[in-house]
Amino acid sequence: TQLLEQSPQFLSIQEGENLTVYCNSSSVFSSLQWYRQEPGEGPVLLVTVVTGGEVKKLKRLTFQFGDARKDSSLHITAAQPGDTGLYLCAGETFSGYALNFGKGTSLLVTP
Amino acid sequence: DTAVSQTPKYLVTQMGNDKSIKCEQNLGHDTMYWYKQDSKKFLKIMFSYNNKELIINETVPNRFSPKSPDKAHLNLHINSLELGDSAVYFCASSQDITAGNTIYFGEGSWLTVV
Repeated sequence: TQLLEQSPQFLSIQEGENLTVYCNSSSVFSSLQWYRQEPGEGPVLLVTVVTGGEVKKLKRLTFQFGDARKDSSLHITAAQPGDTGLYLCAGETFSGYALNFGKGTSLLVTP
Repeated sequence: DTAVSQTPKYLVTQMGNDKSIKCEQNLGHDTMYWYKQDSKKFLKIMFSYNNKELIINETVPNRFSPKSPDKAHLNLHINSLELGDSAVYFCASSQDITAGNTIYFGEGSWLTVV
């Protein structure tokens, strides 16, 4: 069962554009995390959100946790080629000990 | 120093063989994991150990057997390898099983079964 759905699956944009990646579920999560994975490497944590409605900013990246704690979004302002990578959302349910990952959004930012 | 290290990074082997992937973390964490990432980049939990005890065992064929000799190590042994086992296997660790903990991933082990 796929708990988390991410969209879009692929995104190719030019440097300087803005973008939003969505992570949706019918399940409620105790926490939700966003990871970025570059080719040949493991995922690296970007942010953890815990409270419904929470907004966190990491330089040009803005993360929001839905009020009902079922969804999240990642917005990148003025994307740069260094933002290229696979963005994964991952949620932890109240009954589980492990993260459930979405299928990821593969982002390509061209100069 | 690499926080979570796994070996080998690349492994090509024939169907039917038995192989092992080793993992070590030097973060002093209590919890370790094995994840499998398929060709479509879907990352799925396989096993989780907390203080050397198995706490998560997802629907994984019993050809896969994890072993945790101590808190810092979690090895994965795979018997009778099949073509469908080809994937990237990631070892990971976290401080403990508390919600919201950061999970630190290794660089992955690329397994190709031919």
